[in-house]
Amino acid sequence: KQEVTQIPAALSVPEGENLVLNCSFTDSAIYNLQWFRQDPGKGLTSLLLIQSSQREQTSGRLNASLDKSSGRSTLYIAASQPGDSATYLCAVNYGNNRLAFGKGNQVVVIP
Amino acid sequence: DGGITQSPKYLFRKEGQNVTLSCEQNLNHDAMYWYRQDPGQGLRLIYYSQIVNDFQKGDIAEGYSVSREKKESFPLTVTSAQKNPTAFYLCASSIESGRVNEKLFFGSGTQLSVL
Repeated sequence: KQEVTQIPAALSVPEGENLVLNCSFTDSAIYNLQWFRQDPGKGLTSLLLIQSSQREQTSGRLNASLDKSSGRSTLYIAASQPGDSATYLCAVNYGNNRLAFGKGNQVVVIP
Repeated sequence: DGGITQSPKYLFRKEGQNVTLSCEQNLNHDAMYWYRQDPGQGLRLIYYSQIVNDFQKGDIAEGYSVSREKKESFPLTVTSAQKNPTAFYLCASSIESGRVNEKLFFGSGTQLSVL
């Protein structure tokens, strides 16, 4: 059974620092990995999707890497801003768009 | 605006009562999904549908039922058999579930609580 772990569960950083969020998964047989953002009481917004054949994806200040063989992905957020405060969820696609989710990294960026 | 609409935003259930959560999408997506989110937990798949008039159980289908009579709509019924229904319920859709690199689009969720 695919299990997804996100470390750390929660972190606070001062504004301007870079954020590094980690995700690990137990079964390397995945189709893709997605990073989502969730604000309190809201739905999920897809940030980046990395295909299993890719090593990284970038969008603006966000960069996500994927090491499928070791079962790890990292989300980097450069020059963090207070508006980046949210929970970030990692999910792996193991077929038919069925996703296994981690519990999330809860981020607070301090002005 | 295209998107996924979930209603109501908040719902209360009395013991022994069935309640239905609505999910409508105007993205012309074939596949739709229901997830449950508990505090501090990852999302768990309840049911998913790849096409109209077809749906499959996810990892935690017991106590829930769904229908997919129209492409746009995928309502979820929480039955009295679900003994711990309090959770945040999220509906999602994708163009096709069989294509492996499709992003999921989520609704804004329904918070269900037991009275």
